[in-house]
Amino acid sequence: NAGVTQTPKFRVLKTGQSMTLLCAQDMNHEYMYWYRQDPGMGLRLIHYSVGEGTTAKGEVPDGYNVSRLKKQNFLLGLESAAPSQTSVYFCASSDITGGEQYFGPGTRLTVT
Amino acid sequence: DQQVKQNSPSLSVQEGRISILNCDYTNSMFDYFLWYKKYPAEGPTFLISISSIKDKNEDGRFTVFLNKSAKHLSLHIVPSQPGDSAVYFCAASVGQTGANNLFFGTGTRLTVIP
Repeated sequence: NAGVTQTPKFRVLKTGQSMTLLCAQDMNHEYMYWYRQDPGMGLRLIHYSVGEGTTAKGEVPDGYNVSRLKKQNFLLGLESAAPSQTSVYFCASSDITGGEQYFGPGTRLTVT
Repeated sequence: DQQVKQNSPSLSVQEGRISILNCDYTNSMFDYFLWYKKYPAEGPTFLISISSIKDKNEDGRFTVFLNKSAKHLSLHIVPSQPGDSAVYFCAASVGQTGANNLFFGTGTRLTVIP
């Protein structure tokens, strides 16, 4: 039981490049979330999903897209990376009762 | 605007003593509160939660207190251990069930000195 996993762990992009971050969970959770964490700030919600095939915007969705084609996977895409997207990205999941969220180890992204 | 605030960026405590971490919130609609612990290069891990129908919740060495009128909660760790050294995040949401969007504070770095 791996819980929530994220790939890659680190990535450096040039401005304008695109990439996809993958999150996978093996707990059969309905809900999945993407957060970003910046220095001096708490985690902020980017997008979330309440089930396979559904997505919704969070607090800071601009510049990101997401997809939930399979229940266990939640993808975060950056179509044209900007230096302001340099951050640590965390994926999380929770079951249908909500409550606590389980987090992955994070992806550190640097955009130069 | 930050809806959940942790005004102390750091706290140092001697091993065996009590650690008290504080959190304030501004949104009166929040009714579910959580504390997460984070070690470097790892994701946050859930520690303890409290619903607004309670004013205290205990789990072993960890106790969370909620003061709704003051919009304030605190986490007490007794006794503190060196392994408790980590960053602690307070989080809040409207509702506990369903996909609850969590709003996080900026974190407090706790150092427990042996």
